[in-house]
Amino acid sequence: DVVLTQSPATLSVTPGERISLSCRASESVDTYLHWYQQKPNESPRLLIKYASQSISGIPSRFSGSGSGTDFTLSINGVELEDLSIYYCQQGNSLPHTFGAGTKLELK
Amino acid sequence: QVQLKESGPGLVQPSQTLSLTCTVSGFSLTSYNVHWVRQPPGKGLEWMGRMRYNGDTSYNSALKSRLSISRDTSKNQVFLKMNSLQTDDTGTYYCTRDQDNWYFDFWGPGTMVTVSS
Repeated sequence: DVVLTQSPATLSVTPGERISLSCRASESVDTYLHWYQQKPNESPRLLIKYASQSISGIPSRFSGSGSGTDFTLSINGVELEDLSIYYCQQGNSLPHTFGAGTKLELK
Repeated sequence: QVQLKESGPGLVQPSQTLSLTCTVSGFSLTSYNVHWVRQPPGKGLEWMGRMRYNGDTSYNSALKSRLSISRDTSKNQVFLKMNSLQTDDTGTYYCTRDQDNWYFDFWGPGTMVTVSS
């Protein structure tokens, strides 16, 4: 199974700053890497597909990059509503695995 | 509009079988795959298995011996059955979908399952 390692586990942020979250795969997943946001007591929401492709309705401050084994989710100007847990997920092979998540908290 | 909704018992006794239903609307089960994903309290997401648009199924090998996924296309429903439940099967169970593009664009609200005597 492909193991996805997300770092950091927790990130303390200040509104307005630019941040980057990392997701590293144990083997290449090409660009079959997707990002989700999950707020407390809510279902995950798709943010970025295929490593860097935007999703309709998602604010433009969210962007993704990477291929192979190293991926990054960036938020350009964090807002309070972005305080959530972020998960990466690979779709290159079964089982579709998720990272353990990065939690954004207020500094 | 696209909707998925999970339903089932909130409480299951240890060693018993869990039965959940995912009822979908706004799309066809013969065009989309439906997946089950679960989340223990305070923990991350685990992919459990899927019902493919053509009726094929795939399972997480860690659960395969206990898990079965089926469907009724006439009722727009996908079913999950998992036997020999233990306390670490407690969590929120979600159904979600993809279209052979390997990302999940719509999710149900989830249903909480507690395994306890």
